[in-house]
Amino acid sequence: RKEVEQDPGPFNVPEGATVAFNCTYSNSASQSFFWYRQDCRKEPKLLMSVYSSGNEDGRFTAQLNRASQYISLLIRDSKLSDSATYLCVVNKGTYKYIFGTGTRLKVLA
Amino acid sequence: DAGVIQSPRHEVTEMGQEVTLRCKPISGHDYLFWYRQTMMRGLELLIYFNNNVPIDDSGMPEDRFSAKMPNASFSTLKIQPSEPRDSAVYFCASSLRGVGPQHFGDGTRLSIL
Repeated sequence: RKEVEQDPGPFNVPEGATVAFNCTYSNSASQSFFWYRQDCRKEPKLLMSVYSSGNEDGRFTAQLNRASQYISLLIRDSKLSDSATYLCVVNKGTYKYIFGTGTRLKVLA
Repeated sequence: DAGVIQSPRHEVTEMGQEVTLRCKPISGHDYLFWYRQTMMRGLELLIYFNNNVPIDDSGMPEDRFSAKMPNASFSTLKIQPSEPRDSAVYFCASSLRGVGPQHFGDGTRLSIL
């Protein structure tokens, strides 16, 4: 089993739709969690850190469920510019960041 | 504030040549990471440094790869001799205390002919 698992997608959604991604992790001692977005042939860019209490940044909401060992990302009112690959990253507290393989999102006009 | 700076952005060279990739981390960050990304294998961690000291180089594929960090503001990844299968995008990232978010440079797109 992979340490961090994501549904690869692609998720094809119309503009304005709400879409959610989940990411599961296997190490219960994991300490910090992040969502990144990566556009084709570009570097991963930090989208948001994920906190136990959940956090929101505009149209984006991230949640952490430690009991079930997953994190989620919700995108509301999706835009064409949201089309990208979304990477889930888990830090185990050993200075190693474990990346998921990413979920591809395509927002359609 | 300046982000992570990598150079060159693109490198095309013939197999057998030495390739040197450069990285300047965010000022104050004490962890530096080198990654390689390909379509087939995704993002792979090659090596990381803490306070300029290499901590884990288990991801370095072969002895042809070496990395150094002579000071807190500069690191290099060297491939000698280069081979076509080394073609990939190489990213450098830095973070604070090793648990905060990583910040990536723009990457170096390396093509070995």
